Amino acid sequence: DAKTTQPNSMESNEEEPVHLPCNHSTISGTDYIHWYRQLPSQGPEYVIHGLTSNVNNRMASLAIAEDRKSSTLILHRATLRDAAVYYCILRDPFGNEKLTFGTGTRLTIIP
Amino acid sequence: EAGVAQSPRYKIIEKRQSVAFWCNPISGHATLYWYQQILGQGPKLLIQFQNNGVVDDSQLPKDRFSAERLKGVDSTLKIQPAKLEDSAVYLCASSLELQSSYNSPLHFGNGTRLTVT
Repeated sequence: DAKTTQPNSMESNEEEPVHLPCNHSTISGTDYIHWYRQLPSQGPEYVIHGLTSNVNNRMASLAIAEDRKSSTLILHRATLRDAAVYYCILRDPFGNEKLTFGTGTRLTIIP
Repeated sequence: EAGVAQSPRYKIIEKRQSVAFWCNPISGHATLYWYQQILGQGPKLLIQFQNNGVVDDSQLPKDRFSAERLKGVDSTLKIQPAKLEDSAVYLCASSLELQSSYNSPLHFGNGTRLTVT
């Protein structure tokens, strides 16, 4: 499985945008970039995914570099509820589609 | 829609005892996953089912762990005998049909926290 690299932790002020980086220099042409987050004492939840183009949904935006070797998850206006561990995962649609989690980025929101 | 249901929420056992966890996936979801999450780590896949067939169990310690998904709906994960290092949160997840929607998100339950003493 292709690997991703994320910072162990980040902090951000409440009501400000947050940019969570992810490096995936060995990404293959068919890998999709998925983001999940895990709130305290809960299971992970899906945030967003993309292949080449930038993506937006009600939770976040995903900006993908032109060479696809890195991506950034953008939370436009962080709230205290966004404090969680964020996982960047590469998913191969031609494999068995399993998600392989790394250790993620622990995001702390400062009131 | 109702989410993935897991029980029990917490379980404390002594080493060498056995334990079982239950999972009820979202209705209509053909693919079911069991993950193990040790404190401070990301979840690790133990086994993946599509309907009642096993797709991937390469990381399941088969000498002590077993899982089944009878009738392609509910699933149980069993550990027998438990070891101290099995202390973890066991997460169940489900997603839509494998072939028809290969980027369908995984929906996770809140897990069972197992403590082995």
